[in-house]
Amino acid sequence: AAGVIQSPRHLIKEKRETATLKCYPIPRHDTVYWYQQGPGQDPQFLISFYEKMQSDKGSIPDRFSAQQFSDYHSELNMSSLELGDSALYFCASSPFSGGHEQFFGPGTRLTVL
Amino acid sequence: AQKVTQAQTEISVVEKEDVTLDCVYETRDTTYYLFWYKQPPSGELVFLIRRNSFDEQNEISGRYSWNFQKSTSSFNFTITASQVVDSAVYFCALSEEYGGSQGNLIFGKGTKLSVKP
Repeated sequence: AAGVIQSPRHLIKEKRETATLKCYPIPRHDTVYWYQQGPGQDPQFLISFYEKMQSDKGSIPDRFSAQQFSDYHSELNMSSLELGDSALYFCASSPFSGGHEQFFGPGTRLTVL
Repeated sequence: AQKVTQAQTEISVVEKEDVTLDCVYETRDTTYYLFWYKQPPSGELVFLIRRNSFDEQNEISGRYSWNFQKSTSSFNFTITASQVVDSAVYFCALSEEYGGSQGNLIFGKGTKLSVKP
């Protein structure tokens, strides 16, 4: 069965650089979520999209932005990177918004030097 | 406010022992969903189970079982006859239907389970 695809799997950036993470949800899933998991931490919700519209926003810094495109893939754009942005970034997709199981991608490990 | 508490930070057991992971949640919504996810050392998050607030039936899937009790706001997870491959961090999570989370998951801090041979 098709799973959520995230690219790249690993990314190394310098402070103050920008990064773009991509997510391809499971086919026919119309809801995408982004989470950030710091070392030894639980995943924290950043932002979600339903049918290409932003549906909810969590603890996402103003330096980050995201969108969902017409083919339902989503991108998380991160600017002015800081050391504290080093984390595992997960994308999850769900067949419906609100309360349904979310299937997670393998994550993108971002390291900011 | 919504919250998930996993009081056990780390648990260590010997293979074939049974182990229960505790999860207590807080929510003001009457409609909500509870989840368990497994995160093995490789890092991916694996969906294990979803329960809605109207379904208090316990569930068993192989060596895994879940006990949902609304009276104590708990959703505990038991692994019977644990195996080394069960070693992972297990997260309990909450999603509300109409409350602040609107579908996104609120995770507990996780319980790290180590199963020794």
